[in-house]
Amino acid sequence: NAGVTQTPKFQVLKTGQSMTLQCAQDMNHNSMYWYRQDPGMGLRLIYYSASEGTTDKGEVPNGYNVSRLNKREFSLRLESAAPSQTSVYFCASSREIHPTYEQYFGPGTRLTVT
Amino acid sequence: GENVEQHPSTLSVQEGDSAVIKCTYSDSASNYFPWYKQELGKGPQLIIDIRSNVGEKKDQRIAVTLNKTAKHFSLHITETQPEDSAVYFCAANPNTGNQFYFGTGTSLTVIP
Repeated sequence: NAGVTQTPKFQVLKTGQSMTLQCAQDMNHNSMYWYRQDPGMGLRLIYYSASEGTTDKGEVPNGYNVSRLNKREFSLRLESAAPSQTSVYFCASSREIHPTYEQYFGPGTRLTVT
Repeated sequence: GENVEQHPSTLSVQEGDSAVIKCTYSDSASNYFPWYKQELGKGPQLIIDIRSNVGEKKDQRIAVTLNKTAKHFSLHITETQPEDSAVYFCAANPNTGNQFYFGTGTSLTVIP
């Protein structure tokens, strides 16, 4: 039982390049989330998926797209990376969307855009 | 949207002492307040939470208090141990959606 896994762990991109961050969970959770973590700013929600087949914007969705591929997998795509997207990205999942359900976080992807 | 402020940003305590981290929130409709612990190189992990209809909650050495009138809540860690060293985040859910608003984090160091 691996919990929430993310790939890659580290990535360096040049401005304008695209990439997809992958996330998978093996806890049969319905809801999944993507956050970014910047120094001095805490975690901010980018997108979330309440259940398979649905996605919604969070606090900072601009410059990102997501795909809920199936119940297990939720990917985050940067179409044209910008230096402002340098951050640590965390994927999380929870049994249901209601906030009182515990969110389980992956280990993170550290992305640098030069 | 909700604005969560967290203090202090860094905190050092001697092993065995207590540590207190404080957060304030702006949206009086917020009704759920979790605390997360993030160890180096790992994702955050929920350690305790409190709902707005409760004033205090304890779990072994960890407690959280909530003052709805003043719109602040605090994390208390007693008998600190070196393994408590981590970054701690508070968060608030404003009850108008499904997302949390996080504080900026407190880096706690417990000195053996």
